[in-house]
Amino acid sequence: GIQVEQSPPDLILQEGANSTLRCNFSDSVNNLQWFHQNPWGQLINLFYIPSGTKQNGRLSATTVATERYSLLYISSSQTTDSGVYFCAPPSNFGNEKLTFGTGTRLTIIP
Amino acid sequence: GAGVSQTPSNKVTEKGKYVELRCDPISGHTALYWYRQSLGQGPEFLIYFQGTGAADDSGLPNDRFFAVRPEGSVSTLKIQRTERGDSAVYLCASSFRTPGELFFGEGSRLTVL
Repeated sequence: GIQVEQSPPDLILQEGANSTLRCNFSDSVNNLQWFHQNPWGQLINLFYIPSGTKQNGRLSATTVATERYSLLYISSSQTTDSGVYFCAPPSNFGNEKLTFGTGTRLTIIP
Repeated sequence: GAGVSQTPSNKVTEKGKYVELRCDPISGHTALYWYRQSLGQGPEFLIYFQGTGAADDSGLPNDRFFAVRPEGSVSTLKIQRTERGDSAVYLCASSFRTPGELFFGEGSRLTVL
């Protein structure tokens, strides 16, 4: 199955800062999701982005499937952005089950 | 319902006991998934249902784990003879189509003493 690497593993930022989270994966994908797991454990959908760029408020994501990576951008960070961010491509191309990386733990300091 | 609903939210049991965890997917979603998340790790796939049938159960760790979805909606994950290593958060997700966007419930935290 696909291998997923996320970087950095931990990130501590001041409120208002911008950040870029990276997800590298080992095989071609036709599906990829980004999630935010809040401190209460809830997995919140951020983006469903098999390719291209999407934006939602202060967040945007880009997936370059041919180069096997995806990026999540967070601008003007707020304390509520704290938590763990996961990217999850399918285990195999066209497969329906997602494989999660180990995540990036983001801490925003007021 | 509006989102994926899981019950119980917390379950504490003793080693060797039997446990059932329930998942009620988003209305109209035909695909249902179970994942398990241990502390500090990302969720790991257990089993996937398309309708009533288990389309892929390759993630179930052993034969103590079993899941059903008899009417193609609610699913129950069943764990027999629980072990301390089964302690984790069990997450359920559903999607409208496959492959498609998965939506997760809040999870059931299982603690085996």
